[in-house]
Amino acid sequence: GENVEQHPSTLSVQEGDSAVIKCTYSDSASNYFPWYKQELGKRPQLIIDIRSNVGEKKDQRIAVTLNKTAKHFSLHITETQPEDSAVYFCAASMGSARQLTFGSGTQLTVLP
Amino acid sequence: DGGITQSPKYLFRKEGQNVTLSCEQNLNHDAMYWYRQDPGQGLRLIYYSQIVNDFQKGDIAEGYSVSREKKESFPLTVTSAQKNPTAFYLCASSILAAPNSNQPQHFGDGTRLSIL
Repeated sequence: GENVEQHPSTLSVQEGDSAVIKCTYSDSASNYFPWYKQELGKRPQLIIDIRSNVGEKKDQRIAVTLNKTAKHFSLHITETQPEDSAVYFCAASMGSARQLTFGSGTQLTVLP
Repeated sequence: DGGITQSPKYLFRKEGQNVTLSCEQNLNHDAMYWYRQDPGQGLRLIYYSQIVNDFQKGDIAEGYSVSREKKESFPLTVTSAQKNPTAFYLCASSILAAPNSNQPQHFGDGTRLSIL
């Protein structure tokens, strides 16, 4: 089955700096890669997703890049703010299974 | 998302007891999922269902059971066979699009289960 590895497990940045979280996946058949943000005790919320026919997608301060050859994808947050502090999860899915395999999460702390 | 309701928010289980977690959605989504979340770990899939009266085991189905009698409901039973049930349980749903065309999963607020 699919295996998703996520790094780093914790990340601290100064407010206004950029943050980058990286994930690798094992199954080349995976074609959908969402990112979720989860605040303490809350539900995961989809913040951005990318499909395998696209190399990069951007939404305001958030961007995701995908390298299918290397089987890795990354989340980039620019101009970080304290409210960006949360746990971020990457995931990968193959279309036919419609299942998501999640990474282990990254605790992002934005220091004021 | 307001369209997925999980209850209760907190649940306590005694030794040898089965407990059922509720998940209801009014999004008209075909697919529903149950995940378990432990501290410092990602979400692990317990069961999923793509259509009524059909469901599939996920990665950690042992000690759990589900039913899908209605499109909008997907209850999860944590049986006494699950020896380490303490975790945060999340229900999700999604549209089933064409093959090889994934749609996002939307989550409920979760149920925190503890052992007494």
